[in-house]
Amino acid sequence: NAGVTQTPKFRVLKTGQSMTLLCAQDMNHEYMYWYRQDPGMGLRLIHYSVGEGTTAKGEVPDGYNVSRLKKQNFLLGLESAAPSQTSVYFCASSYLQDYSNQPQHFGDGTRLSIL
Amino acid sequence: AQKITQTQPGMFVQEKEAVTLDCTYDTSDPSYGLFWYKQPSSGEMIFLIYQGSYDQQNATEGRYSLNFQKARKSANLVISASQLGDSAMYFCAMLRSNDYKLSFGAGTTVTVRA
Repeated sequence: NAGVTQTPKFRVLKTGQSMTLLCAQDMNHEYMYWYRQDPGMGLRLIHYSVGEGTTAKGEVPDGYNVSRLKKQNFLLGLESAAPSQTSVYFCASSYLQDYSNQPQHFGDGTRLSIL
Repeated sequence: AQKITQTQPGMFVQEKEAVTLDCTYDTSDPSYGLFWYKQPSSGEMIFLIYQGSYDQQNATEGRYSLNFQKARKSANLVISASQLGDSAMYFCAMLRSNDYKLSFGAGTTVTVRA
């Protein structure tokens, strides 16, 4: 049982390059989330999705785009990477209408550095 | 907009003692869920405990308990009988049931001393 898998685990980009982070879950969860974690700031919500084909903005969506074409996958894209996007990115997923006893399952994170 | 506040950036606690981590939240929604997560130095996020806004009793999970004071909008985590393995960052989070947005506080670093 893989749970939530994030790909890649590490990446170094140059300013202006683009890339896509992949989050895959095998638990048939409806909700999926993308966060970034920076020192002293906790986890900040970038975008989230409540089901296949739907996405919504979180607290810090600028500079990022997402897609949820398949229920099990949630993609986070950086069209033109900036040094301010250097961070650790976490993906999480959970069940619909059952968050009371089904907490969010997190991936192991992607460490992204923009030079 | 909802806001989660953890006012203690870092805390030290002696092994076997209890420690309370503060969390206050701000929302006008009547239905929401409150979570605590642990993040050790290895980086993974570990779910600890959950409290629903309509739950009448405070949640408990082993050595973890949540002191939920709805009128004060606080959801403090109590760790009893601290162990060295409890040294980690702890995050409070809130899930709104109207739009399923999950937001986190800035976290509290706990260091357990032998």
